Amino acid sequence: EAGVAQSPRYKIIEKRQSVAFWCNPISGHATLYWYQQILGQGPKLLIQFQNNGVVDDSQLPKDRFSAERLKGVDSTLKIQPAKLEDSAVYLCASGQSPGLRNEQFFGPGTRLTVL
Amino acid sequence: GDSVTQMEGPVTLSEEAFLTINCTYTATGYPSLFWYVQYPGEGLQLLLKATKADDKGSNKGFEATYRKETTSFHLEKGSVQVSDSAVYFCASQGNTPLVFGKGTRLSVIA
Repeated sequence: EAGVAQSPRYKIIEKRQSVAFWCNPISGHATLYWYQQILGQGPKLLIQFQNNGVVDDSQLPKDRFSAERLKGVDSTLKIQPAKLEDSAVYLCASGQSPGLRNEQFFGPGTRLTVL
Repeated sequence: GDSVTQMEGPVTLSEEAFLTINCTYTATGYPSLFWYVQYPGEGLQLLLKATKADDKGSNKGFEATYRKETTSFHLEKGSVQVSDSAVYFCASQGNTPLVFGKGTRLSVIA
């Protein structure tokens, strides 16, 4: 079974530029999550999708971050414009069902460096 | 809100040494508890989990017991190997999304 795919793996941009990350979850997984992992910290949930609807985006900085999952499969996370403090690893995860106690499967992440 | 506190690293051990990584949580209700592992260059992988008090999760020689009375979920392994070198994250999931600790980096030297 293929795992969660993410691209690109690495991205370096200058502040005020825009960047987008892509995630392809495990086939059949209805729930998709985006996390931000700043160096030295644990992952922090940014947004959770159930199919193509948003379940929780309470910690997403909506003035600069946006995410979509239009067809309920792939998802894109965008930052526009980027700030230095956005430097982090962005992790995508997927799960079979919306149940809070179901296992999440993580992708390898995209490491973003903002200069 | 819910939170997870785990011992700070890095932890450096010799091969075959005993490992303990402490983890405590605060949560409303009775959360499920997890340990995730992140090997260099890879994504997070679920190592083990426990969903109710006194449950013991185990995998690859690692164990952790859900202790409701001490709100703890300490990770242990009797004999570590070089291949166990990674960052270990404790996490809690109750009526909120997954909440992670800051991670503990383990280095095992031969």
